[in-house]
Amino acid sequence: SAVISQKPSRDICQRGTSLTIQCQVDSQVTMMFWYRQQPGQSLTLIATANQGSEATYESGFVIDKFPISRPNLTFSTLTVSNMSPEDSSIYLCSVVVTESSYEQYFGPGTRLTVT
Amino acid sequence: AQKVTQAQTEISVVEKEDVTLDCVYETRDTTYYLFWYKQPPSGELVFLIRRNSFDEQNEISGRYSWNFQKSTSSFNFTITASQVVDSAVYFCARNTGGFKTIFGAGTRLFVKA
Repeated sequence: SAVISQKPSRDICQRGTSLTIQCQVDSQVTMMFWYRQQPGQSLTLIATANQGSEATYESGFVIDKFPISRPNLTFSTLTVSNMSPEDSSIYLCSVVVTESSYEQYFGPGTRLTVT
Repeated sequence: AQKVTQAQTEISVVEKEDVTLDCVYETRDTTYYLFWYKQPPSGELVFLIRRNSFDEQNEISGRYSWNFQKSTSSFNFTITASQVVDSAVYFCARNTGGFKTIFGAGTRLFVKA
């Protein structure tokens, strides 16, 4: 299993500023991901956080807007840059700990409000 | 696109009623995983079940049961004798390449006392 913590749990930010969200896992994992859930919507994958290399972004998401770091196998950060109200969402970190059986875990999420 | 479709946007039931949440998925893969998650008002995602495409047996866990029909690409979820605490948004999901997960739009379940 894996226990995931995220910081901050929530924040209210001014437009034009940036926020960095941290994701900490209690064990080493290969596969780590960042998802976004806009208000009243489903979850959408932002990117795969690759350890030691650049993240792999999904269509519609770019590195300049959502830079991601993955310095080791237990930690990752997602930055939401130059925020606008449309960035108000829950951001969730996720890991897959057992690739053969697809054992997947989600963090508690970071609730971001941009004013 | 390999979509997951949850056609029911909202369902409202009275406590103790049974309710079934529908999920239909698309896939070109022979091996895949399907999931159900619960998201209560607090916002966290609660894992309910993971099912491998090779395992077509239905599963029951307490008041929860899942019906996997590979022939119709459906993975429906039934709550028996619903309770107010079951009120939440329920997401069906499946994996795609690279261990990514695609989620359905979700079904919001209201259980009234």
